[in-house]
Amino acid sequence: DIQMTQSPSSLSASVGDRVTITCRASQTIDNYLNWYQQTPGKAPKVLIYAASSLQSGVPSRFSGSRSGTDFTLTISSLQPEDFATYFCQQSFGTPWTFGQGTKVEIK
Amino acid sequence: EVQLVESGGGLVQPGGSLRLSCAASGFTFSSYWMHWVRQVPGKGLVWVSRIDNDGSTTNYADSVKGRFTISRDNAKNTLYLQMNSLRAEDTAVYYCSRTTFVAGWIDYWGQGTLVTVTS
Repeated sequence: DIQMTQSPSSLSASVGDRVTITCRASQTIDNYLNWYQQTPGKAPKVLIYAASSLQSGVPSRFSGSRSGTDFTLTISSLQPEDFATYFCQQSFGTPWTFGQGTKVEIK
Repeated sequence: EVQLVESGGGLVQPGGSLRLSCAASGFTFSSYWMHWVRQVPGKGLVWVSRIDNDGSTTNYADSVKGRFTISRDNAKNTLYLQMNSLRAEDTAVYYCSRTTFVAGWIDYWGQGTLVTVTS
């Protein structure tokens, strides 16, 4: 199975901060990397697909990038509604695997 | 509006069975791959199974292979997950979800249904 190592597991940040979350795949997954946001009690919501494509309706402060097997989700200016847990997920190999999640909390 | 509505969760004893259903609406169900993803409350997401648009191809996580069966009825716009030989470690919220193609991203999720396996 492809292992997805996500870091950090949690972070504290203030409104307006730039936030970066990373995910490293254990082998090449090309661009088959997606990012999801989940708030408590709700289903996840896709933010970024195919490593860097912004899902329709998602604010442009969210962006994704890839360098080899390292992937990054960036929130350029954190907003109150962005305090949530973020997961990466690879869809290159079966089984699909998710990162462990990053909980973004208010500082 | 796309909607995925799961049902069938509940309390079951170890070794028991449950069948989850997911009623789809607002899109052409027969055009999409469908998936089940589960999550222990407060923990991470785990992909469980997927089925192609016509039901001819299915895949499973090793942890459920041989115990769970995914199926679909395109005439009823419904996805199913038959869960047999349930274990305590199967306790989770089960989400129904869709992708446009096999290696795609999940663009819609259901609200989830809780399965609790306990004696």
